Amino acid sequence: AQTVTQSQPEMSVQEAETVTLSCTYDTSENNYYLFWYKQPPSRQMILVIRQEAYKQQNATENRFSVNFQKAAKSFSLKISDSQLGDTAMYFCAFMIAYSGAGSYQLTFGKGTKLSVIP
Amino acid sequence: NAGVTQTPKFQVLKTGQSMTLQCAQDMNHEYMSWYRQDPGMGLRLIHYSVGAGITDQGEVPNGYNVSRSTTEDFPLRLLSAAPSQTSVYFCASRRLGRGSSPLHFGNGTRLTVT
Repeated sequence: AQTVTQSQPEMSVQEAETVTLSCTYDTSENNYYLFWYKQPPSRQMILVIRQEAYKQQNATENRFSVNFQKAAKSFSLKISDSQLGDTAMYFCAFMIAYSGAGSYQLTFGKGTKLSVIP
Repeated sequence: NAGVTQTPKFQVLKTGQSMTLQCAQDMNHEYMSWYRQDPGMGLRLIHYSVGAGITDQGEVPNGYNVSRSTTEDFPLRLLSAAPSQTSVYFCASRRLGRGSSPLHFGNGTRLTVT
């Protein structure tokens, strides 16, 4: 079974500063996908960024980037130039990358609540 | 493009009552799933389906039933609600096949069981 751990229940950052959210995971699989989802107070679940485990290059989406360390099983999210709209719960998630029973499931961490301070 | 539509947005039930949470998607996604979100617990998978007529249990299936008669719809049934089922419920769908197709989520249903 896969597990995802987010060790920071809450974090805060000043507006325009940079913050890094941690995520580690445990799996015996070699091919998988990793995701960061954002949940603002509106309760929507919004995909922020995704990473394929077979790609060594770290994924980037505008102000959001990841530091993917496969050997260490670490997948941290960096938010640059933080904005007030980044205030949200952030979830790290894992999915096995092959078809078969049970392999379509996303396993989520417990989340990190990020507050951006003006 | 509606995406994933969940109804209702809010619901209050008394212990022992039954109800169905509705979920519909218009993206022709094969995979549909139900999660519950509780404070400090993240999202946990209740049931999922990889196509019409096929369903399977997730991590926390007890107390919930599902069926998938069409590609578009995936209702979640609570046969006898319990206070432990007070939670926020999310329906999500995705395309199957190669690639990291992400989950598309509905806007959630906040359920309170008294």
